[in-house]
Amino acid sequence: EVQLSGSGGGLVQPGGSLRLSCAASGFTFGSYAMTWVRQAPGRGLEWVSTLSADGRSTYYAASVNGRFDISRNNYRSTLYLQMNRLTVEDTALYFCAKDDTDSGLDSHLDYWGRGTLVTVSS
Amino acid sequence: SYVLTQPPSVSVAPGKTAKITCAGDKIASKSVHWYQQRPGQAPVLVIFDDFDRPSGIPERFSGSNSGNTATLTIRGVEAGDEADYYCQVWDSSSGQIYVFGSGTRVTVL
Repeated sequence: EVQLSGSGGGLVQPGGSLRLSCAASGFTFGSYAMTWVRQAPGRGLEWVSTLSADGRSTYYAASVNGRFDISRNNYRSTLYLQMNRLTVEDTALYFCAKDDTDSGLDSHLDYWGRGTLVTVSS
Repeated sequence: SYVLTQPPSVSVAPGKTAKITCAGDKIASKSVHWYQQRPGQAPVLVIFDDFDRPSGIPERFSGSNSGNTATLTIRGVEAGDEADYYCQVWDSSSGQIYVFGSGTRVTVL
């Protein structure tokens, strides 16, 4: 059974940093691209970032480009999202999700984790 | 950037059919995927590549894609189908590679 477990969320002040983790099991982690999607309170889904299976290709939404850094450790089956220079607009539930391809290109998300909440507030 | 437009809400009586639309420019040239998000839960993939169902998704869920509109159809609606539904495409023409629709709240009367 595929399982994705996000962690690392919490309350942080504007301008601060946070690192999210997503532990994966139940599939060959190193064979699939992985993606972060967020959902602000009461709002819809917003794509944040995608990382290819080999870790060489990264993609970021314009709203986070230059502030967030996606990475992975295929030996530990773990996905990360380093979030810097956070603003109140980054407040959201962050989901990690498994892509259906190794590249993350022309793909969909076939499994989602339960999400970890990030609150940016002074 | 590529935009997907969904109606904010759809109401349907139990046992009836719900149709949720997703409009986008020449969307038929893209693969459309649909996610169900029940309150307080993570999204679940219910349709991929326009009309394919993942294992475990009931046959009541079906999809189509033509022209400028993709449609998710739920036949024999049940109380457990009450959720938000999002369409999604992958778009290489802009930096937003995963594009989600705004979501449709399905209410079972």
